[in-house]
Amino acid sequence: GAGVSQSPSNKVTEKGKDVELRCDPISGHTALYWYRQRLGQGLEFLIYFQGNSAPDKSGLPSDRFSAERTGESVSTLTIQRTQQEDSAVYLCASSPGPVNTEAFFGQGTRLTVV
Amino acid sequence: DQQVKQNSPSLSVQEGRISILNCDYTNSMFDYFLWYKKYPAEGPTFLISISSIKDKNEDGRFTVFLNKSAKHLSLHIVPSQPGDSAVYFCAAINTNAGKSTFGDGTTLTVKP
Repeated sequence: GAGVSQSPSNKVTEKGKDVELRCDPISGHTALYWYRQRLGQGLEFLIYFQGNSAPDKSGLPSDRFSAERTGESVSTLTIQRTQQEDSAVYLCASSPGPVNTEAFFGQGTRLTVV
Repeated sequence: DQQVKQNSPSLSVQEGRISILNCDYTNSMFDYFLWYKKYPAEGPTFLISISSIKDKNEDGRFTVFLNKSAKHLSLHIVPSQPGDSAVYFCAAINTNAGKSTFGDGTTLTVKP
């Protein structure tokens, strides 16, 4: 497809388990973002990838969170030892680059930790 | 330290009237600003943007105003329609750094 694709769309996991969320950005987009939105709250920045530069990880809430990106394509966000407070919608966005700044969002992955 | 703030969590407006959504920022390095609209169960979608070299950008019913000295921008929707009911996020970027910083959003409800 032409848009940003995220999988799975929904994930229910038990507390303490690890989860991996996937994002397929728009082809050719060098910038990729992960955000988190908890129920009733705003967009919380997690991590930003731009080309081959070192990622900006300043938004990751703890060392249980990590993200990787393969070149300028797929990204995975991994949450280890999930906690109930990790329950949220995780949104991925990509943009053509730092100058062209409109970001295109996927539909998100709704993570529920029970 | 929240660099982009949308101080009104919600706004209710009658159909046909003007909706004004506000956004304040603190980082003077921000030079590009965007508004996104988000419906439930969907990702945000881009609505309108403005560069710091301008003070106004208009696209149909949507106009964004930028007051650099006050570090304030606003989105005007005229006339408001029930289909405009959504969460609106303000975002700011330092184009040298590239990362978008979002506000917490304002939920707009347009009543028929």
